Amino acid sequence: GAVVSQHPSWVICKSGTSVKIECRSLDFQATTMFWYRQFPKQSLMLMATSNEGSKATYEQGVEKDKFLINHASLTLSTLTVTSAHPEDSSFYICSARDPDSSYEQYFGPGTRLTVT
Amino acid sequence: QKEVEQNSGPLSVPEGAIASLNCTYSDRGSQSFFWYRQYSGKSPELIMFIYSNGDKEDGRFTAQLNKASQYVSLLIRDSQPSDSATYLCAVFDRGDSSYKLIFGSGTRLLVRP
Repeated sequence: GAVVSQHPSWVICKSGTSVKIECRSLDFQATTMFWYRQFPKQSLMLMATSNEGSKATYEQGVEKDKFLINHASLTLSTLTVTSAHPEDSSFYICSARDPDSSYEQYFGPGTRLTVT
Repeated sequence: QKEVEQNSGPLSVPEGAIASLNCTYSDRGSQSFFWYRQYSGKSPELIMFIYSNGDKEDGRFTAQLNKASQYVSLLIRDSQPSDSATYLCAVFDRGDSSYKLIFGSGTRLLVRP
């Protein structure tokens, strides 16, 4: 099956700093990747859709200048949380769609961000 | 605003019983439906998808789709304690310029030994 990796798996940073999270599709080329955020005991919230070679599409209420997304290749998308604050502490999960297998999305293992 | 509704639970069943998880969706035009399982602290993993009305079976899991009533369900037979997790229902949404999954809030399942 399709494999998606994320790095790092967890990160602790100080308030005001920026953090970059990588999402890679390991055995397929993903023209589209998705970034989600999940707070404890809540469901997944789609933040943005990342399209290779073009600008990301952000969901309503998500600050695009704070959550920078870059999808420079068919196997890599990055999410940078700029000027992180404690309220940004969350579980960030990416997923990728394999265009050869219909509509399924394959999820990465997630990155737990803690901002102190 | 397209919505996917699930009972948050917890749904508690004894080991060996059938667990029934339900989901309703608001967009009558929706065509593709997915069930994901998420263990605490982990990311979701795909269990099944279903496109056509009726039942689809895969091992101990059966997905049921009724487009007329706009609901989709997941049955887990012979429930095991290892099935204890949150089950997320998702509906594929094809917009004008993109497509995405719309997730329900999830139902927490507890299987008692």
